[in-house]
Amino acid sequence: GQNIDQPTEMTATEGAIVQINCTYQTSGFNGLFWYQQHAGEAPTFLSYNVLDGLEEKGRFSSFLSRSKGYSYLLLKELQMKDSASYLCAVGTYKYIFGTGTRLKVLA
Amino acid sequence: GAGVSQSPSNKVTEKGKDVELRCDPISGHTALYWYRQSLGQGLEFLIYFQGNSAPDKSGLPSDRFSAERTGGSVSTLTIQRTQQEDSAVYLCASSEDRGQDTQYFGPGTRLTVL
Repeated sequence: GQNIDQPTEMTATEGAIVQINCTYQTSGFNGLFWYQQHAGEAPTFLSYNVLDGLEEKGRFSSFLSRSKGYSYLLLKELQMKDSASYLCAVGTYKYIFGTGTRLKVLA
Repeated sequence: GAGVSQSPSNKVTEKGKDVELRCDPISGHTALYWYRQSLGQGLEFLIYFQGNSAPDKSGLPSDRFSAERTGGSVSTLTIQRTQQEDSAVYLCASSEDRGQDTQYFGPGTRLTVL
């Protein structure tokens, strides 16, 4: 079967670091994607991992372990505007999305 | 260049009516996807086009739903005899080639069935 799990909700403080985990079981794998979605808006692309390891992009980093079926998104120096849902998706010939993690950043 | 565009942005319809939702992908993108997102839910895959062909229609919820793509570009999602449970945001995405490519999403069409 195909299954992607993420925590439903997380809360963190402005300026802090937060790690959003994603575990997956899929019948194919061509890469793992993270998207950010603000309420009422379309998802926007954040990062892509196809090989094991850490990809860093400014305040955002994403990690992948294919053998463990595990990824995380790390957000540093949190800002209020980072309050959004974060969607993990596994790419096969299509995307399989998790239900998303709603992050609240508090002042 | 221009991103993915969708129209209309909002559609309110009465139960039983047919609706058509349109997606214009990024120019040159051969793969096009339709998703549905209900309130507070994740993205539900509906259908995938490679060029004008739809290799995977497995996500279409019922035979009331259909989609086509012409000229390898614009796609239309049609819902016949709409039901209240069809109310959702319908998102379109396109990518350069296949599933391993980054997908870029349009702003979505919010469908409300009364």
